[in-house]
Amino acid sequence: QAVVTQEPSLTVSPGGTATLTCGSSTGAVTSGHSPYWLQRKPGQAPRTLIYDINKKYSWTPARFSGSLLGGKAALTLSGAQPEDEAEYYCFLCYGGPWVFGGGTKLTVL
Amino acid sequence: EVQLAESGGGLVQPGGSLRLSCAASGFTFSNYWMTWVRQAPGKGLEWVANIKEDGTENYYVDSVKGRFTISRDNAKNSLFLQMNSLRAEDTAVYYCASGRLENWGQGTLVTVSS
Repeated sequence: QAVVTQEPSLTVSPGGTATLTCGSSTGAVTSGHSPYWLQRKPGQAPRTLIYDINKKYSWTPARFSGSLLGGKAALTLSGAQPEDEAEYYCFLCYGGPWVFGGGTKLTVL
Repeated sequence: EVQLAESGGGLVQPGGSLRLSCAASGFTFSNYWMTWVRQAPGKGLEWVANIKEDGTENYYVDSVKGRFTISRDNAKNSLFLQMNSLRAEDTAVYYCASGRLENWGQGTLVTVSS
């Protein structure tokens, strides 16, 4: 099965902008992969923020946005808040099977 | 309110079996794909399996093919994961999630150890 890659860690200043990326070992990430982004905080169940590249749920803060960027899926956080410190996982759909990336630990500091 | 509640986890010896259940409420269960995701200690999330609304399609991560079986009972709003030939590397918290993963359970811990 494919391998999905993410930055292991990123640091962003409060109020700053961070861009997390999600690549595929099979080539460019496209709309066909329906990229998802999830937020994971310690002791909590995962919370899905973005689906199908850039679609949001009612609970997704407006400061989060999704896109395709340079052959990868991207999650952009504009105006980082301390509560955004978490692990962020992307996953991609390969027909039936899905594959998660290894996660990016985002530090707001 | 949408709720997903996993159960059935526990301690099992290598080679043993467990059956996980996920009880769903607060939404029309039969209208949604359902998914199992796991997280091993100190590791990231791993997609395990998913199943179509009517149960006619399902998919598995390579590492569990032939050992795990996902199923559902739409009449009872329940999702299942039958896990056979368990290995130490199957030790994880197992989550069920609905549809486009908009709703998650709190997870059930499976520990495979002698």
